[in-house]
Amino acid sequence: GAVVSQHPSWVICKSGTSVKIECRSLDFQATTMFWYRQFPKQSLMLMATSNEGSKATYEQGVEKDKFLINHASLTLSTLTVTSAHPEDSSFYICSAPRVKGRETQYFGPGTRLLVL
Amino acid sequence: AQKVTQAQTEISVVEKEDVTLDCVYETRDTTYYLFWYKQPPSGELVFLIRRNSFDEQNEISGRYSWNFQKSTSSFNFTITASQVVDSAVYFCALSTSNFGKGTSLLVTP
Repeated sequence: GAVVSQHPSWVICKSGTSVKIECRSLDFQATTMFWYRQFPKQSLMLMATSNEGSKATYEQGVEKDKFLINHASLTLSTLTVTSAHPEDSSFYICSAPRVKGRETQYFGPGTRLLVL
Repeated sequence: AQKVTQAQTEISVVEKEDVTLDCVYETRDTTYYLFWYKQPPSGELVFLIRRNSFDEQNEISGRYSWNFQKSTSSFNFTITASQVVDSAVYFCALSTSNFGKGTSLLVTP
């Protein structure tokens, strides 16, 4: 079964609104989570590394004021796309590494965002 | 600069054939990690393997095997006796931030 969940799985919103995406590790604690975006038929792009209890680390070119990340607990990280615009439409994916014997990276099922 | 190249954009094979997906990487780091992921049509990524730069042993997991060659900066992935369920896009990655463009594998009956 899934060990990382994402909610919502898809969302349609109007331009200018904010959208919050949740990423939860279901049966393990994740001090670190990763947020990616993926455009259709393209590769994944790491947006930021979410760290529990501290500020997220953003990749170059990613606007931290636009993509707010909060990692308030060991099982929850949220990504808020503020004042969304059509160009923010994408597939957003979170992942969390888990070290249990051998490190494994678990991915959430992704959130498809469409901004009209 | 770090870079991952998956030269094969699309591969199509018939079920039961073996298929190798190529991955070539560039990095100046002496310590690094390499990954392979599978993304089936549903979109949800599946982690397949993580290998650190100090471990050049080849790995086999069922029908999957990986060949890590530091001398050629390659980390190739072979599926033996492919099955229709193997149809997916496969990504090779260097660390958590550098993904190749992916290879789309289609396995037909």
